[in-house]
This record gives sequence, C-alpha cells and structure tokens, in this order.
Amino acid sequence: NAGVTQTPKFRVLKTGQSMTLLCAQDMNHEYMYWYRQDPGMGLRLIHYSVGEGTTAKGEVPDGYNVSRLKKQNFLLGLESAAPSQTSVYFCASSWGLAGGGEQYFGPGTRLTVT
Amino acid sequence: AQSVTQPDIHITVSEGASLELRCNYSYGATPYLFWYVQSPGQGLQLLLKYFSGDTLVQGIKGFEAEFKRSQSSFNLRKPSVHWSDAAEYFCAVGALRGTYKYIFGTGTRLKVLA
Repeated sequence: NAGVTQTPKFRVLKTGQSMTLLCAQDMNHEYMYWYRQDPGMGLRLIHYSVGEGTTAKGEVPDGYNVSRLKKQNFLLGLESAAPSQTSVYFCASSWGLAGGGEQYFGPGTRLTVT
Repeated sequence: AQSVTQPDIHITVSEGASLELRCNYSYGATPYLFWYVQSPGQGLQLLLKYFSGDTLVQGIKGFEAEFKRSQSSFNLRKPSVHWSDAAEYFCAVGALRGTYKYIFGTGTRLKVLA
C-alpha cells in the first residue's frame, strides 16, 4: 500500500517549457487535490476533483490544467512554465467527510522554473 | 470569507517544555478542523481532527487540541516537547460545505532547543 505517490520528485524547467506532474493513489479515494506551497503562504489549492472525469478550480488555478481520466490518477499540467510557478507541489486525496475527512498527502514535487 | 489564521510564524521551545500553537478560523458554520505536521522535505501528516462531540481531541505523538466555538479557535498543545517534534504545523478547515475544499493556515515552524 503505497498511499499517495508523486512523479517526479524534482524538476527544473526553462520559462515557456511544459510538463506534467503525476499523482497516483491506491486508497480508492474519490477526492483528489493539487496544492502549491510557497514560503509564508501555507498551502494553496490549485485544482481539485470530486470523482473520475471531474475537475474544478481552486484558489490559484491560472497557468495550470488538470485531468482525472482514471480514479487513481490526477495529473497537473503546466503548458508554458513561468518563474512564478517555482514552488513545491503537493497532491492529496481523501474519502471526503463520510470517510473521516482527512487528506492524505504525497511527498511533494519541487519545481524550479528559470 | 473563510480563513484560517496561525498568528505565530515561528516558535522556539526547550525540550521538555510545554507547547501551544494557536489557530483561529473564520467560517459561518460548525467547521471540520484539522492539524497537520510537516517534517522537512516531507508531505503533511494528520495529527488530529475535530468534527463534533468532545471539544478536546487527542491525536498522535502525544498532541491534543481544544475546539472553542466562542473564540473560533482550535489550539494545538503538547505537555512535553521532544526534539523530534521540530517541524512545521498547519491548521486547516476542511470539507467546506458543498465544495469539498480545505483551507490551510500559513503554518507555524517549531524549533526545539536541546
């Protein structure tokens, strides 16, 4: 039981390049989330999904796209990376309130955009 | 608007001393409240949560938190801090009604002196 895994762990991009971050969970969770963590700002929600095939915008969605084609996977895409997207990205999943409400987090992806 | 405030950015305590980390929230209904801990380079781990019932909740690693509705607070406490408790602590309001979203505070970084 791996929990929540994220790929890759580290990445350096040049401005304008694109990339996809992969999140996978093996707990059969309905809800999945992408956050970014910046110093002094806590975790800010980028996008989230309440089930396979659904996505919704969070607090800071601009510059990012997501897809949830399979229940266990949640992909975060950067089409044209900008230095402002340098951050640590965390994926989380949850059963929702019926399952206790807590989120389970991946180990994070550290992204640097030069 | 919903918000979570952690007024202390940094706290330093001596090993063996007691600890209290403050968390205040703004939410128009009974909240679902969480405390998470993040060790350096790691994802977030749940310490404890409050949904309803007894306002004093026990968590892992000897932590407890008390929900005070009148003060809109959910402070985290530990009677005797260990060096391994050095980490960043996040308070969160969860599963906001109808949105499945969570709001995190900006975190409190705990340093433990030997």
